[in-house]
Amino acid sequence: DAGVIQSPRHEVTEMGQEVTLRCKPISGHNSLFWYRQTMMRGLELLIYFNNNVPIDDSGMPEDRFSAKMPNASFSTLKIQPSEPRDSAVYFCASRGTSGGVLADTQYFGPGTRLTVL
Amino acid sequence: SQQGEEDPQALSIQEGENATMNCSYKTSINNLQWYRQNSGRGLVHLILIRSNEREKHSGRLRVTLDTSKKSSSLLITASRAADTASYFCATDGVGSGGSNYKLTFGKGTLLTVNP
Repeated sequence: DAGVIQSPRHEVTEMGQEVTLRCKPISGHNSLFWYRQTMMRGLELLIYFNNNVPIDDSGMPEDRFSAKMPNASFSTLKIQPSEPRDSAVYFCASRGTSGGVLADTQYFGPGTRLTVL
Repeated sequence: SQQGEEDPQALSIQEGENATMNCSYKTSINNLQWYRQNSGRGLVHLILIRSNEREKHSGRLRVTLDTSKKSSSLLITASRAADTASYFCATDGVGSGGSNYKLTFGKGTLLTVNP
């Protein structure tokens, strides 16, 4: 199993540019989460999907952020336009549906380190 | 708002010593989990303890949960340099349906194990 795959691993862009982060969850998992991690705020949940449907996007900072999950194997997080304060590490995580501990465990991708100049 | 809060923020010990990290939370939970994050990497699940459990073991890890005090502790015995990482507790919220809820993470404890 390849685990959760994220791309790119590093992104450097200039303020005002559009940024798209990508995530491929573990095959068979039906829940997907996008997190943002900064030194100041720690790990924050931005949005989570269940069966490709956004369930809770209350953590999305503002309208500049949007996320989609067109199918069970792919999700994107888009920032348009980007700002320096968006600089952070963005993680995607997925979770399966089997019973017991596995159903409550989230599996994280390696993250995308975003720097907005 | 932050649900889990780890204590201490940073801990430095010698190899072979035990490391204890604490986590406090505010609302009722279904379960509490501990994750580890190595520098520059994603989080890795370590152990989960359910609200009706008081103690759980996994290898060199021991987790306790006190729901009356809304607190948990993670003990790593006979620490190794490779245990150097940040450790996070994560709690779910008891909502309608009671399960499959999002996790809320604390800010973590940075553990350094010196060789």
